[in-house]
Amino acid sequence: EVQLVESGGGLVKPGGSLRLSCAASGFTFSSYTINWVRQAPGKGLEWVSSISGGGSYIYYADSVQGRFTISRDNAKNSLYLRMNSLRAEDTAVYYCAVTGTTDYWGQGTLVTVSS
Amino acid sequence: EIVLTQSPATLSLSPGERATLSCRASQSVSSYLAWYQQKPGQAPRLLIYDASNRATGIPARFSGSGSGTDFTLTISSLEPEDFAVYYCQQRSNWPRGFGQGTKLEIK
Repeated sequence: EVQLVESGGGLVKPGGSLRLSCAASGFTFSSYTINWVRQAPGKGLEWVSSISGGGSYIYYADSVQGRFTISRDNAKNSLYLRMNSLRAEDTAVYYCAVTGTTDYWGQGTLVTVSS
Repeated sequence: EIVLTQSPATLSLSPGERATLSCRASQSVSSYLAWYQQKPGQAPRLLIYDASNRATGIPARFSGSGSGTDFTLTISSLEPEDFAVYYCQQRSNWPRGFGQGTKLEIK
C-alpha cells in the first residue's frame, strides 16, 4: 500500500523557518517526481514545488522561489521542503503528492505563520 | 505561466442532473490536463488525467473532454457524494498551476 506521511508543520513567526518532511512507502520512491502542493484555509490548491526522481530537476512556484528549497533522500524514501523567510500568506496545509496516471497524496501538515 | 480559469465558480444542481464544468487555459496545454475532486478535510482525488482518461476506480459517470485550451468535466448523473469542489491542473508546463475551482453544491 502506498503511503505518504507529512510532518514538521506548526506555528512559526513571520520571517521564521520550518522544514517539512514526507515519508514515503509502498512504491519505488526514487523512480518518481514528487510534488509539494499547498492549500490556504478556505482557498484553492496551489502547486509549490516538484523534484524529479534523481533530484536533478527542480521547479518552484514564483511565490516561493528563493525562499523554499525542495530536496529528497532516496535512501530514506523521504522528501523535504525547507521554508525560510516565512510570510503570513504561506499559512496553509502542505501536501506531498505523487502525480501521474494514478495519484497518491498525504494527509497534509498545517503550517501557520503568525506573530 | 499558464493560467487556468474555471467556470462557473459555483454550480447548483440536484442529484440525478448532469453537471458540466469548464476549464480554460491561457495557452495550449495539448491534452495534459487533469481534474481533481476535493471534499472538506480531505486530500484531492484524481478523477481524470490527460484530459479524458479516468483514473483507477473512478466511476463511469465522470468523463473529461477537450484539448488545447478548452476542457470539460462532465458528470452524467449526479450522486449525493459528487457534491464537492473540482479543480483542473495543467501538466504541460512548469509551473503546474491549478484552476481556482468550481464548487458543486446541492440545489
